[in-house]
Amino acid sequence: DSGVTQTPKHLITATGQRVTLRCSPRSGDLSVYWYQQSLDQGLQFLIHYYNGEERAKGNILERFSAQQFPDLHSELNLSSLELGDSALYFCASSVAWTRAYETQYFGPGTRLLVL
Amino acid sequence: GQQLNQSPQSMFIQEGEDVSMNCTSSSIFNTWLWYKQEPGEGPVLLIALYKAGELTSNGRLTAQFGITRKDSFLNISASIPSDVGIYFCAGQESGTYKYIFGTGTRLKVLA
Repeated sequence: DSGVTQTPKHLITATGQRVTLRCSPRSGDLSVYWYQQSLDQGLQFLIHYYNGEERAKGNILERFSAQQFPDLHSELNLSSLELGDSALYFCASSVAWTRAYETQYFGPGTRLLVL
Repeated sequence: GQQLNQSPQSMFIQEGEDVSMNCTSSSIFNTWLWYKQEPGEGPVLLIALYKAGELTSNGRLTAQFGITRKDSFLNISASIPSDVGIYFCAGQESGTYKYIFGTGTRLKVLA
């Protein structure tokens, strides 16, 4: 158990809908990262938050947005869902981001299926 | 998106055999991490490497941070059936705080 929690574990929805994925980082971690993993694909970095502020953006679509709240949990919002958005969405956390070597610990993921 | 070159893509081996996989990049990295992912689960950190030339072991696993800082390898000795999974490397590019992931090596161990 990495200490990172994600809810829900599974989500099935229809095209055009909007969903929210939730992540709670490890106790003491200030950084949260979101990744997308499509079938048989590697991990694609989406976005990074540190202590409530956005720090880096990766390949995140404009239909997707995220935020980190004062209690450090984070939410990833996916809107106008398309079939191709079906994937595993992982959250990872780390202590900070200012060191040149920050180890990330991953949550169990949310499996999203868009029908 | 940007990904590291990881090879091989997949391996089928007999139980007891040693396994070797590697990741290469065109840019310099500060950190290399190796993760294992089992079906339906999140990646689990196996080994973290922070210095060029560093060789680190974790049980039957050994990983090295390449001298050029552009590559890393992971070895698994005497494989067992529970080694099955996808192994990912991840590197933190020098000058950034972003991690880039390899494409994964899918390992299957035949008993």
